[in-house]
Amino acid sequence: AQTVTQSQPEMSVQEAETVTLSCTYDTSESDYYLFWYKQPPSRQMILVIRQEAYKQQNATENRFSVNFQKAAKSFSLKISDSQLGDAAMYFCAYRRGEGSQGNLIFGKGTKLSVKP
Amino acid sequence: AAGVIQSPRHLIKEKRETATLKCYPIPRHDTVYWYQQGPGQDPQFLISFYEKMQSDKGSIPDRFSAQQFSDYHSELNMSSLELGDSALYFCASSLAGHNSPLHFGNGTRLTVT
Repeated sequence: AQTVTQSQPEMSVQEAETVTLSCTYDTSESDYYLFWYKQPPSRQMILVIRQEAYKQQNATENRFSVNFQKAAKSFSLKISDSQLGDAAMYFCAYRRGEGSQGNLIFGKGTKLSVKP
Repeated sequence: AAGVIQSPRHLIKEKRETATLKCYPIPRHDTVYWYQQGPGQDPQFLISFYEKMQSDKGSIPDRFSAQQFSDYHSELNMSSLELGDSALYFCASSLAGHNSPLHFGNGTRLTVT
């Protein structure tokens, strides 16, 4: 079974600084997808960024980028120029690439605080 | 852009009662997922439907059932409610194909007293 591990329960960053959230996963599959979701205090689940395992190029979305190391099964999220609105719980998630319709398997989450 | 609609937003029930949660996916999305998120927990997958058929099953209790209707909306039925069922219930939708991300609704907060 696939597992997702986020080893940092809480992280803190100064406004305008850069922070990296860690995520590792365990799978025997070669085809899969990885995601970062953000959950602010409103509890809404918001897609931040996604990465296809077959793509070597790291995904980027504005201030958000990932460092995808397939051999190491690592998928970290880098937030540049942190803003107060980035404060939230961040979940790393894995999705199978074949077989079933592919539900998400989530890590336990990292709570990010942004200091003004 | 249209998003996933869940109703109700909040629901309060007593132990042993039943509850029905509704989910309206993004138009043209054919797959619906249900997740349960307890306080301070990560979302746990319950069940999913593709083209009105159950496609995958997670940690859904036998007291819960769900279905997807011809208009693609889905309902999660919960019976014999227990205090431990108090949680945030998310519905998500996507297009078939694993490159399509899941889009989540705002959730239904169920409180069982």
